[in-house]
Amino acid sequence: DAKTTQPNSMESNEEEPVHLPCNHSTISGTDYIHWYRQLPSQGPEYVIHGLTSNVNNRMASLAIAEDRKSSTLILHRATLRDAAVYYCILTNTGNQFYFGTGTSLTVIP
Amino acid sequence: DTGVSQNPRHKITKRGQNVTFRCDPISEHNRLYWYRQTLGQGPEFLTYFQNEAQLEKSRLLSDRFSAERPKGSFSTLEIQRTEQGDSAMYLCASSLVGTYDEKLFFGSGTQLSVL
Repeated sequence: DAKTTQPNSMESNEEEPVHLPCNHSTISGTDYIHWYRQLPSQGPEYVIHGLTSNVNNRMASLAIAEDRKSSTLILHRATLRDAAVYYCILTNTGNQFYFGTGTSLTVIP
Repeated sequence: DTGVSQNPRHKITKRGQNVTFRCDPISEHNRLYWYRQTLGQGPEFLTYFQNEAQLEKSRLLSDRFSAERPKGSFSTLEIQRTEQGDSAMYLCASSLVGTYDEKLFFGSGTQLSVL
């Protein structure tokens, strides 16, 4: 299973942008970078994914380094509902999604 | 789209009893996963199905665990002779494979407590 490294925890003030980093130095050329988040007492939910180019959707943006060895999930304006554990996952078609321990994001009002 | 449904939401059992959980995936999804999650940890992969075929089982999955997905629809996960170490949240996810990018959709899980 491909390896990712994330900080255990981060804090952000409400309505401020949040940048959640992920290192994946052993990424292969065909691995997609996925982000999921898990709110308390719920199953994980899909946030965003990408391969090489930066991606935007209604939830977040994903910035992928040119060498693809790291990526950053960007929440443009953190709200209290964004407090969750965020998982960065590498996956490939036909391979499993292996979750690490993720980054626990605390949003301060 | 009603999402992924898991039943029951909570299960309390005594050590040594058998338990069975059910997962109903999103209807058109052809892949179904089972994960286990303990407090403070990320979800741990257990097994997955593509249609009715069980394609992979985690090496961590003991022979007390068995999963089925008859006719490629709902799935059941059975744990025989439960142990206290089996206490965890059991999560089911489904996806549609066939496009170049697979996304998982999770249910809310079944919380198992073994006394």
